[in-house]
Amino acid sequence: DTAVSQTPKYLVTQMGNDKSIKCEQNLGHDTMYWYKQDSKKFLKIMFSYNNKELIINETVPNRFSPKSPDKAHLNLHINSLELGDSAVYFCASSTPRGGEDTQYFGPGTRLTVL
Amino acid sequence: SQQGEEDPQALSIQEGENATMNCSYKTSINNLQWYRQNSGRGLVHLILIRSNEREKHSGRLRVTLDTSKKSSSLLITASRAADTASYFCATGSGNTPLVFGKGTRLSVIA
Repeated sequence: DTAVSQTPKYLVTQMGNDKSIKCEQNLGHDTMYWYKQDSKKFLKIMFSYNNKELIINETVPNRFSPKSPDKAHLNLHINSLELGDSAVYFCASSTPRGGEDTQYFGPGTRLTVL
Repeated sequence: SQQGEEDPQALSIQEGENATMNCSYKTSINNLQWYRQNSGRGLVHLILIRSNEREKHSGRLRVTLDTSKKSSSLLITASRAADTASYFCATGSGNTPLVFGKGTRLSVIA
């Protein structure tokens, strides 16, 4: 039943480690996104993929690498984690039409880097 | 750069009262959306208003858009404790990504 799912929900790790977050959507959307929400609740887009192709890559360190094996999945791999990476990461999906883009969000992954 | 700015940052009201939140933005838009985020959850789409629309209703929600002032408001009537959440506006400008504001944290006290 879950439309957009993410795993894990919580991730606690040490600085310098490499970790991955997975996202899957069963809505048949062709576009998927990764957002970062900081402690002040500011939501900032990181990446957007359309049919497995990267279309948006905001100014994100190249330690972050998204991978889309198919249009229903968009995973986020983070190398050499830093304290400042601690945040909640949201996956979202949509099918933009006519300039309108109603997005469906996953439950979020709370990443804590110690 | 950030597009939407919600106002106020936080709002506390009694159950049954109306809650009004405002959003201002800087550049031309194609549409504006409002989302709700419950604590510890993802955002949920509430309503979309197009740039050629001035007002839209959905249940207890009423959204207005004034493109001349580059502002929108979200009114929740007869609020309930379950309306307690953060509310975000997001502006859409065609092929550019949605840009979210920082949100208004609404607390409805029973």
